[in-house]
Amino acid sequence: DGGITQSPKYLFRKEGQNVTLSCEQNLNHDAMYWYRQDPGQGLRLIYYSQIVNDFQKGDIAEGYSVSREKKESFPLTVTSAQKNPTAFYLCATKGGASNQPQHFGDGTRLSIL
Amino acid sequence: AQSVTQLDSQVPVFEEAPVELRCNYSSSVSVYLFWYVQYPNQGLQLLLKYLSGSTLVKGINGFEAEFNKSQTSFHLRKPSVHISDTAEYFCAASGTYKYIFGTGTRLKVLA
Repeated sequence: DGGITQSPKYLFRKEGQNVTLSCEQNLNHDAMYWYRQDPGQGLRLIYYSQIVNDFQKGDIAEGYSVSREKKESFPLTVTSAQKNPTAFYLCATKGGASNQPQHFGDGTRLSIL
Repeated sequence: AQSVTQLDSQVPVFEEAPVELRCNYSSSVSVYLFWYVQYPNQGLQLLLKYLSGSTLVKGINGFEAEFNKSQTSFHLRKPSVHISDTAEYFCAASGTYKYIFGTGTRLKVLA
């Protein structure tokens, strides 16, 4: 099955803890994205990567970190510096041309214990 | 600043009635436009896209949208909605690598 796999579906974080959200794709897409979704605020871009070993900050990168060591994988770490991490996190990919749509995973819901 | 605006945060409509969800984009963004649907606790699914050519675009589940350059709009329509259309709908515009999303419209179909 081609697609994007996000894991886990639900995640709980304790105070002062870093947690990592997984995003794996087998669509052979170069570009990958992380979004944060809060009620009534739509999607806000955290980080994006156009190619392996390269990534750029989005609009709300503070308190988050990423890596892109493989084309298939783009994990997101929510660090203890992110004081309000409770949200729904979505990973997306896109094929090469600028007119191509993004494809989304099913998301990870992160909550604070 | 580039922007995509969805003026209606919620739209209630009775089953089998028509619906229009409004989307306006700033003229500075690329004219590659998309509509996505999101069901609870799921990711976004592509409904339709406008890249070029005919201004009337047909998508999945009976939805269609019309690109209007003079009014910088890309409204989504369906002639007869079903209960299963209850979801959140997002309009988006594509840049070279980044996308701009509207804040979403929650469509609630009433029996």
